[in-house]
Amino acid sequence: DTAVSQTPKYLVTQMGNDKSIKCEQNLGHDTMYWYKQDSKKFLKIMFSYNNKELIINETVPNRFSPKSPDKAHLNLHINSLELGDSAVYFCASSQGRTAGTGELFFGEGSRLTVL
Amino acid sequence: GQQVMQIPQYQHVQEGEDFTTYCNSSTTLSNIQWYKQRPGGHPVFLIQLVKSGEVKKQKRLTFQFGEAKKNSSLHITATQTTDVGTYFCAGGTGTASKLTFGTGTRLQVTL
Repeated sequence: DTAVSQTPKYLVTQMGNDKSIKCEQNLGHDTMYWYKQDSKKFLKIMFSYNNKELIINETVPNRFSPKSPDKAHLNLHINSLELGDSAVYFCASSQGRTAGTGELFFGEGSRLTVL
Repeated sequence: GQQVMQIPQYQHVQEGEDFTTYCNSSTTLSNIQWYKQRPGGHPVFLIQLVKSGEVKKQKRLTFQFGEAKKNSSLHITATQTTDVGTYFCAGGTGTASKLTFGTGTRLQVTL
């Protein structure tokens, strides 16, 4: 059983399109995250939700909108895709509210390519 | 904002050689975590250090947290090809409720 699962694994789309990535965790964790990893491998946090409540919202364009229907799911919707959005997006989860103190469990990543 | 830098960016070693990556934060940390990401894979948690000056070992890996809690290191003794990947440190600052990942060190090991 995969602990943190993301779909789809690969996304290739045209500029201007809208796309969504879904994430589910079966670890019973309270907190979920979206991280973006660019071509230089830098990992930057985008959003964090604790039990459906948004707790971290880094400087991310409004085109990115997270949604957490319940504490086991955190989806990411991206409007009007741009070339610079091409990256690998990782979902992660951890126990507890304070992200800095608990181990992060990452999904396998969703590679988004914008043409 | 908080920055976490790692050096070197890249290291290529022969199997059996030792390897060290250094992690430096611009601010004092409450804790530091280390992750390994294999090529094409996702980051996997290795360890967490919390106390000033703490040293922890996992087989051939030795992790250290600096006295001032602003730096850390990961040392691998006698590298193996299975050690290939990118090693990230990630610093927690408690009140900010988030981890800031370092820039990563990519390790290549050849026979």
